[in-house]
Amino acid sequence: AQSVTQPDIHITVSEGASLELRCNYSYGATPYLFWYVQSPGQGLQLLLKYFSGDTLVQGIKGFEAEFKRSQSSFNLRKPSVHWSDAAEYFCAVGALYGGATNKLIFGTGTLLAVQP
Amino acid sequence: GAVVSQHPSWVICKSGTSVKIECRSLDFQATTMFWYRQFPKQSLMLMATSNEGSKATYEQGVEKDKFLINHASLTLSTLTVTSAHPEDSSFYICSARIAGQRTDTQYFGPGTRLTVL
Repeated sequence: AQSVTQPDIHITVSEGASLELRCNYSYGATPYLFWYVQSPGQGLQLLLKYFSGDTLVQGIKGFEAEFKRSQSSFNLRKPSVHWSDAAEYFCAVGALYGGATNKLIFGTGTLLAVQP
Repeated sequence: GAVVSQHPSWVICKSGTSVKIECRSLDFQATTMFWYRQFPKQSLMLMATSNEGSKATYEQGVEKDKFLINHASLTLSTLTVTSAHPEDSSFYICSARIAGQRTDTQYFGPGTRLTVL
């Protein structure tokens, strides 16, 4: 069955430090992969996505993610974190799910705290 | 572009009443919209897939008679929580997929906080 695992429930980094959020997926074919960010009480904003091609994808707000098929991973990175990056981050895989309609399967999320 | 709105942003209702939540794609047509439910400190759980002009497809365990979905136009889907009870209190989020796009990006609304007293 398709699944997404985000091993880190909560991460705290210092402002200006680098960040890596982990995401592992389980899917039989090449998946569509997404990272979304959610601020408190808000909906989800798309950070970046991978469908095919270059395995290193650039997103908004200085984020990037790398698709590694051999590791079934799609980790999110940022070289220098800003206080405004504090939020919850969700990794998701889009998968054919018993029909023509692709659905998103979300990980459990990683809550990022940024300390001064 | 690709903006999705939801109305209301929050609602408080008495147990036994029905509540309607609207999801609109503001600058694109969406043949498919999705409704999710999110409990505090948890991930999004897909409730149903809404296709314009046809019946919604519900995920296993979701009561279709309780969560009525209507996708009457290419820019509007509604979720009605019928005879709401306190356990229905949650954050409901919709998303929309751009019609005709081969890729599968979903654009999310800001969510609706439902509190049932």
